[in-house]
Amino acid sequence: GDSVTQMEGPVTLSEEAFLTINCTYTATGYPSLFWYVQYPGEGLQLLLKATKADDKGSNKGFEATYRKETTSFHLEKGSVQVSDSAVYFCALSETEGGGNKLTFGTGTQLKVEL
Amino acid sequence: KAGVTQTPRYLIKTRGQQVTLSCSPISGHRSVSWYQQTPGQGLQFLFEYFSETQRNKGNFPGRFSGRQFSNSRSEMNVSTLELGDSALYLCASSTRLAGGHEQYFGPGTRLTVT
Repeated sequence: GDSVTQMEGPVTLSEEAFLTINCTYTATGYPSLFWYVQYPGEGLQLLLKATKADDKGSNKGFEATYRKETTSFHLEKGSVQVSDSAVYFCALSETEGGGNKLTFGTGTQLKVEL
Repeated sequence: KAGVTQTPRYLIKTRGQQVTLSCSPISGHRSVSWYQQTPGQGLQFLFEYFSETQRNKGNFPGRFSGRQFSNSRSEMNVSTLELGDSALYLCASSTRLAGGHEQYFGPGTRLTVT
């Protein structure tokens, strides 16, 4: 079945540092890929998505590129802020036949310090 | 446009009881999905409803059930509660029944089983 593996946290960075959170996936078809963010006490918010190979999703300074050859969708940001502290989830959905079902990674907690 | 709303936000139940959680999707959204979030198992898909029909189901016992009404509002029910059912239950809505489309999550219902 489908699965998503993302790097263990927590990740602690200083403000303005470069961020990378690794994500790899296993899927039978050609999935769409997502990054969601969860702030304390809240639900999930879609951060960015990519629906086909070589697509780059971007939002709020975050970027991720759909790499079919390495089955990866790593999240990057050039300069993190304290307000980026949250838990980040990589997820996939099958483009056909799976409806909107999302398969999530375990989440990576990011803490940004001054 | 109002976001996804879930009621109640917090719930405490006793083992053996049953519980009903409610989700109101964004206006115009016909797909509602439910997820369970726990520290041990992470985010797991429960089921998805579209136009009052269950379209997809995760790997949960029959104690977990749901339904969707003609106005797209959805409820999920858990019967014979177990301690392990303590979790954050999230619902998400979308306009279409297909992977790759944005899903919008509610803030969740925190269920505690004692």
